[in-house]
Amino acid sequence: RKEVEQDPGPFNVPEGATVAFNCTYSNSASQSFFWYRQDCRKEPKLLMSVYSSGNEDGRFTAQLNRASQYISLLIRDSKLSDSATYLCVCNFGNEKLTFGTGTRLTIIP
Amino acid sequence: DTGVSQNPRHKITKRGQNVTFRCDPISEHNRLYWYRQTLGQGPEFLTYFQNEAQLEKSRLLSDRFSAERPKGSFSTLEIQRTEQGDSAMYLCASSPLRDRHLQGGYTFGSGTRLTVV
Repeated sequence: RKEVEQDPGPFNVPEGATVAFNCTYSNSASQSFFWYRQDCRKEPKLLMSVYSSGNEDGRFTAQLNRASQYISLLIRDSKLSDSATYLCVCNFGNEKLTFGTGTRLTIIP
Repeated sequence: DTGVSQNPRHKITKRGQNVTFRCDPISEHNRLYWYRQTLGQGPEFLTYFQNEAQLEKSRLLSDRFSAERPKGSFSTLEIQRTEQGDSAMYLCASSPLRDRHLQGGYTFGSGTRLTVV
């Protein structure tokens, strides 16, 4: 079993819709959590950190459920520019980040 | 440019040849990481430096791979006797040591895309 698991998609969503991704992690010692965004053939870029109380950044909302060991990302009012791969990322209390395989999202006009 | 810099951006090499990639991290970042990413997968950890010390190596890093960070600044990743399975994007990232639990995440470079033919 992978340490960080995501549904690879693809998710094809009409513009303006709301879309949600979930991610599960296997290590209860996880210290910090993130969502990264990766455009085709580009490097991953930090989208947002995920805090225990949940956090919002504009149209993006991230939530963490430590008891069930999952993380979610909600995108409201999706834009064409949101098309990308979204990577779920964890720090398991060591010196590195562990990445999921990513969920591919395509926003359809 | 104060970001993480990697070069070359692309490298095409014949099987069996040696290749070397370079990474220049953000200047005040003590920690430097190498990852490999293949199509349809997330980045996979290869190795990690704190200043000039290589503190962890993944099992993915076979004997043909070697990484150095001699002065605690830039780093090189060398692959000897390349194989077709080495074709991937090689990503470098850095973070400051003061961010103990990596709460700020990493900053990645643009990567070096290796194609072994």
